[in-house]
Amino acid sequence: GAGVSQSPSNKVTEKGKDVELRCDPISGHTALYWYRQRLGQGLEFLIYFQGNSAPDKSGLPSDRFSAERTGESVSTLTIQRTQQEDSAVYLCASNRRGTSGNNEQFFGPGTRLTVL
Amino acid sequence: DAKTTQPNSMESNEEEPVHLPCNHSTISGTDYIHWYRQLPSQGPEYVIHGLTSNVNNRMASLAIAEDRKSSTLILHRATLRDAAVYYCILPKAGGTSYGKLTFGQGTILTVHP
Repeated sequence: GAGVSQSPSNKVTEKGKDVELRCDPISGHTALYWYRQRLGQGLEFLIYFQGNSAPDKSGLPSDRFSAERTGESVSTLTIQRTQQEDSAVYLCASNRRGTSGNNEQFFGPGTRLTVL
Repeated sequence: DAKTTQPNSMESNEEEPVHLPCNHSTISGTDYIHWYRQLPSQGPEYVIHGLTSNVNNRMASLAIAEDRKSSTLILHRATLRDAAVYYCILPKAGGTSYGKLTFGQGTILTVHP
């Protein structure tokens, strides 16, 4: 079946512009995660959605970052007034329940964001 | 969240076994041990997970110490395609963000032909 997809695969923007990144999780996966990976660094957790529960936004680095998800479908991560330090690969992952620690996460290919 | 410690890098020769260690001395009784790997220019992919017993799948084996304070990922015959960063992770098992993965620096595995 189809895996997690993300779009665009690459995004180049100018400092100060807003960008919107999209994630299509695997059908039936109730949990969705966004991570960020700066060049040469490990992954940083950004935000977590589980069904219709309130999302965990504890990893968002500033109020310029926001994310939405409608039900158990598509999610969008929006970065307003982009800064050069926002340049990174943004990864989305999903899994079936997210209610215990034994469910593997399936990652998308990521969106590479470059802020000039 | 419980912390894991891994060596920064390891090297292996092709077709030889590789043992990647991980220490997790603060692990709790409900923490699962997961391994993910990230190939160059790709998103992470799940490798294997376990709780108490050793586990085998088509990709690797996971050996878990009896006290669960350490584990070892075993690649039985390394190939060049196994060159990647390997992450040992204890997903968040309770509270908010169930299953949240906290990635450390991982172990960079280099496989020599």
